[in-house]
Amino acid sequence: EVQLLESGGGLVQPGGSLRLSCVASGFTFGSYAINWVRQAPGKGLEWVSGISSSGDSTYYADSVKGRFTISRDNSKNTLYLQMNSLRVEDTAAYYCAMGSDNSWVVLTDWGLGTLVTVSS
Amino acid sequence: QSALTQPASVSGSLGQSITISCTGTSSDVGRYKLVSWYQHHPGKAPKLIIYEVIKRPSGVSNRFSGSKSGNTASLTISGLQAEDETDYYCSSYTTSSTLLFGGGTKLSVL
Repeated sequence: EVQLLESGGGLVQPGGSLRLSCVASGFTFGSYAINWVRQAPGKGLEWVSGISSSGDSTYYADSVKGRFTISRDNSKNTLYLQMNSLRVEDTAAYYCAMGSDNSWVVLTDWGLGTLVTVSS
Repeated sequence: QSALTQPASVSGSLGQSITISCTGTSSDVGRYKLVSWYQHHPGKAPKLIIYEVIKRPSGVSNRFSGSKSGNTASLTISGLQAEDETDYYCSSYTTSSTLLFGGGTKLSVL
């Protein structure tokens, strides 16, 4: 059974930094692309970033480009999201979601999310 | 990039059918067969119910079906059940090598 467990969320001041982690189990982590998707309170889903299975290719939404960095450690079955220069509008639940066998944009399995609150 | 356009809410009676639309542009929905639909019960992990416009993952009820015409994709749910009442999101790959979600649609089952 695929399991994705996010952690690292919390309260941070505007301009601060936070690193999220997503530990995967139940599948061959290094064979799949994986993404971060967020949901602000009362809002819809917003794709944040994606990374290829090897980590060689990364993709970002314009809203986070230059501030967030996605990475992965396949030896630890772990995905990361380094978030810098955080803004109030980055407040959201952050989910990791794995891509399918054939496409990184088909999100077959998701975690339960970790909450990030950016506030002074 | 703006979100794909979905109706904020739709409703239907038990046993009836409803359709949720998802409108994009020629740079996303209209260009690729990479439209997916997700069901999201608040507090739970989102669930993939349709991918590549018309395909259903194993285990997803055949009451869910997808289609696309031009820049608009659609999700149809037939034989509405009480447990279908929740939020639904579409997504599409884009020419910018990004993934774009719709604003979400809240389904009410009367």
